[in-house]
Amino acid sequence: EDQVTQSPEALRLQEGESSSLNCSYTVSGLRGLFWYRQDPGKGPEFLFTLYSAGEEKEKERLKATLTKKESFLHITAPKPEDSATYLCAVRRGDYKLSFGAGTTVTVRA
Amino acid sequence: DTEVTQTPKHLVMGMTNKKSLKCEQHMGHRAMYWYKQKAKKPPELMFVYSYEKLSINESVPSRFSPECPNSSLLNLHLHALQPEDSALYLCASSQDPGQRNTEAFFGQGTRLTVV
Repeated sequence: EDQVTQSPEALRLQEGESSSLNCSYTVSGLRGLFWYRQDPGKGPEFLFTLYSAGEEKEKERLKATLTKKESFLHITAPKPEDSATYLCAVRRGDYKLSFGAGTTVTVRA
Repeated sequence: DTEVTQTPKHLVMGMTNKKSLKCEQHMGHRAMYWYKQKAKKPPELMFVYSYEKLSINESVPSRFSPECPNSSLLNLHLHALQPEDSALYLCASSQDPGQRNTEAFFGQGTRLTVV
């Protein structure tokens, strides 16, 4: 069975204090690892897709990386508007996305 | 355009009511999904339609009835719900998993309250 574990559950950062979120996974036949951002009461917003170990993607202050067993989402010099829950999900060769429980990031000014 | 539109945004219904949630996308995606999300939990898959046919039902109670009238529209018909069905209902769409770009795009959700 696919397993996706995110850590930490919650992260409190000072504005400008860089940090990383972890997503470890066990899935056979990985066909994609996805990062989403979710604000309270809203739907998840797509951020990145990673397909193979060594791949990296960047968007503004966010950078996602992938190894054979885990993915990291690095937040560089975060701002208060980066406060959200960040969800990691994996897909095998079918339509199912298996989500992790998420990391809630709070950035204080 | 990566927009998935859901209506209504909020819905309050009694346990004897019948209501429907609607979802629309114009990205040419051929897979559409319904997810349920409870507070502080990740989304849970309910149904998947692939090329307008129901391909996955995650053992969802029959009081939830999905419908895909065409490739751009997805409905979720609700009847005789229970208070524990109160949640954020999310619609999503994606390309066919056989293609490389398989990311799912989500709508903003319908906040459902059953009283």
